[in-house]
Amino acid sequence: DTGVSQNPRHKITKRGQNVTFRCDPISEHNRLYWYRQTLGQGPEFLTYFQNEAQLEKSRLLSDRFSAERPKGSFSTLEIQRTEQGDSAMYLCASSPRGEQYFGPGTRLTVT
Amino acid sequence: GESVGLHLPTLSVQEGDNSIINCAYSNSASDYFIWYKQESGKGPQFIIDIRSNMDKRQGQRVTVLLNKTVKHLSLQIAATQPGDSAVYFCAEANYGGSQGNLIFGKGTKLSVKP
Repeated sequence: DTGVSQNPRHKITKRGQNVTFRCDPISEHNRLYWYRQTLGQGPEFLTYFQNEAQLEKSRLLSDRFSAERPKGSFSTLEIQRTEQGDSAMYLCASSPRGEQYFGPGTRLTVT
Repeated sequence: GESVGLHLPTLSVQEGDNSIINCAYSNSASDYFIWYKQESGKGPQFIIDIRSNMDKRQGQRVTVLLNKTVKHLSLQIAATQPGDSAVYFCAEANYGGSQGNLIFGKGTKLSVKP
């Protein structure tokens, strides 16, 4: 499978715990995006990488959120001190330029 | 402010009929538009895109129309099949002014009756 992959697919955590998600983009796609999607809504942009550089961050990305793409390939999104409002589907997309291809997402449930 | 919205939240069609899903956008600076299909529990799946220098683009069974005068986008699906049942999102981006992060609307749920 040469598409975007995300792990884990599901994560249940208790409020206050830290979680980390991983995204493996389509190889040779230098652009990588993170989005968050809540039920019944369209995805909302969180942050963008071009190669290893994080070039844009949404105001939705509070200081509890951090993302990295250390070698310009896979990316991680960490949420510290999770809150119930963080429950959502976290989507990763990669792009050569233009169309963005999404992974299956990581469903986070904070109890 | 910037927004991407949909005229109809739900659409029910008979198998074999054509479907038309509409979308309005408000950012006149947007230069790229894209349609996604999302099935339950899955990530959005790319369907078709169009740049602002075009007004029509065709794919396999799908056509996207862009009317910049009224800031309107539509997706036409020919001979709709049960497998087309999903939520459809339009999204816009401004590659000329930003890094291309997509702004999505709320989605239209398409139900295809056999």
